[in-house]
Amino acid sequence: AQSVTQLDSQVPVFEEAPVELRCNYSSSVSVYLFWYVQYPNQGLQLLLKYLSGSTLVKGINGFEAEFNKSQTSFHLRKPSVHISDTAEYFCAVSETGGGNKLTFGTGTQLKVEL
Amino acid sequence: EAGVTQFPSHSVIEKGQTVTLRCDPISGHDNLYWYRRVMGKEIKFLLHFVKESKQDESGMPNNRFLAERTGGTYSTLKVQPAELEDSGVYFCASSQDPGQNYGYTFGSGTRLTVV
Repeated sequence: AQSVTQLDSQVPVFEEAPVELRCNYSSSVSVYLFWYVQYPNQGLQLLLKYLSGSTLVKGINGFEAEFNKSQTSFHLRKPSVHISDTAEYFCAVSETGGGNKLTFGTGTQLKVEL
Repeated sequence: EAGVTQFPSHSVIEKGQTVTLRCDPISGHDNLYWYRRVMGKEIKFLLHFVKESKQDESGMPNNRFLAERTGGTYSTLKVQPAELEDSGVYFCASSQDPGQNYGYTFGSGTRLTVV
């Protein structure tokens, strides 16, 4: 079984400042890693994913994440946020073996202020 | 291409009543998933269809929940009778392959409130 921990339930940040949303996971098997974003009144949208290869993954809207196997982390970063980045962000994992069901963290609400 | 459609978007029902949620996946997507988020908690997997067959229903909370996908197209999730703890947002997702190369497309969710 897997678990995902997002320690920060809310992250306030000023526009144009950098941001890091933390994600740690626990699993006894190999996993794929994902970040999803949910804008108000919308569905979950895939930001980026790590399946294999380079541990630095670039996604949409200028976000990137780095897979750190030794620390079992997959933190999400953006060097300069915009008001439109205000949303809830979810880290998720799935087993590489199949089934593809996702195990999510509890989410981090990012609030970008002027 | 049309996305994953869920309706209703909101539903308020009394404890003991029945509610049916519907999900229309992207056309051609054989894989359909249901997830639920109880307020303040993580989004949890409920079940996975491949076409009309239930591939994995390990996340279904109890036998008050019944999911169907007749003909391998749209899916319904019925809760009967509803209890207060069933309140939450129910998400549906679909994918065109069993791998993660394409990822899922999620719907906007149905917010269910049981009073």
